[in-house]
Amino acid sequence: DTAVSQTPKYLVTQMGNDKSIKCEQNLGHDTMYWYKQDSKKFLKIMFSYNNKELIINETVPNRFSPKSPDKAHLNLHINSLELGDSAVYFCASSQRRGAGTNEKLFFGSGTQLSVL
Amino acid sequence: QKEVEQDPGPLSVPEGAIVSLNCTYSNSAFQYFMWYRQYSRKGPELLMYTYSSGNKEDGRFTAQVDKSSKYISLFIRDSQPSDSATYLCAMSAVTGGGNKLTFGTGTQLKVEL
Repeated sequence: DTAVSQTPKYLVTQMGNDKSIKCEQNLGHDTMYWYKQDSKKFLKIMFSYNNKELIINETVPNRFSPKSPDKAHLNLHINSLELGDSAVYFCASSQRRGAGTNEKLFFGSGTQLSVL
Repeated sequence: QKEVEQDPGPLSVPEGAIVSLNCTYSNSAFQYFMWYRQYSRKGPELLMYTYSSGNKEDGRFTAQVDKSSKYISLFIRDSQPSDSATYLCAMSAVTGGGNKLTFGTGTQLKVEL
């Protein structure tokens, strides 16, 4: 009954490959996110979807393409993987899109991506 | 210079100690301040939330915000080995474009028996 679940947990792949990470939340939240955490633990937002609509798109290479088939799912597809893409990718969700108030983010356990 | 600065540690304290974790920030538009705790190989989880300046207490944890100094703190009293984790401060401004948190780099805390 995990609230935010993402798969796979570990992903090891060669440079140039294409890979996808899947995320599902069973909290009934409207808003989902992808965050990237680098080796120094710095966590930075990449994308956010509210009810299947893209609302935040940070400066991310267009090799990264999020897709939200419904508000409970947000997937991340990465084309032509590069060494610098190695990081932990976290999916998260919140009840609503607004900043502040009680917009608590619920994070998944992360996907450790290693590009060789 | 990053928008949010946080000492990465590691910080090692004996069990029972009072721990002080801090962040400074440069964006005066930030109004919502949070502390997340992240255990090894897990996602961050929200620990404390504060709006604007002031203090908030929850059990052994106290969060303080000083907007005039652009400085926030998290105090942990009677620290326990189970508090060993990375603590990330996070903050956001009021925007119409969605909840975009800016995180610090995290402070790694180890509480030793």
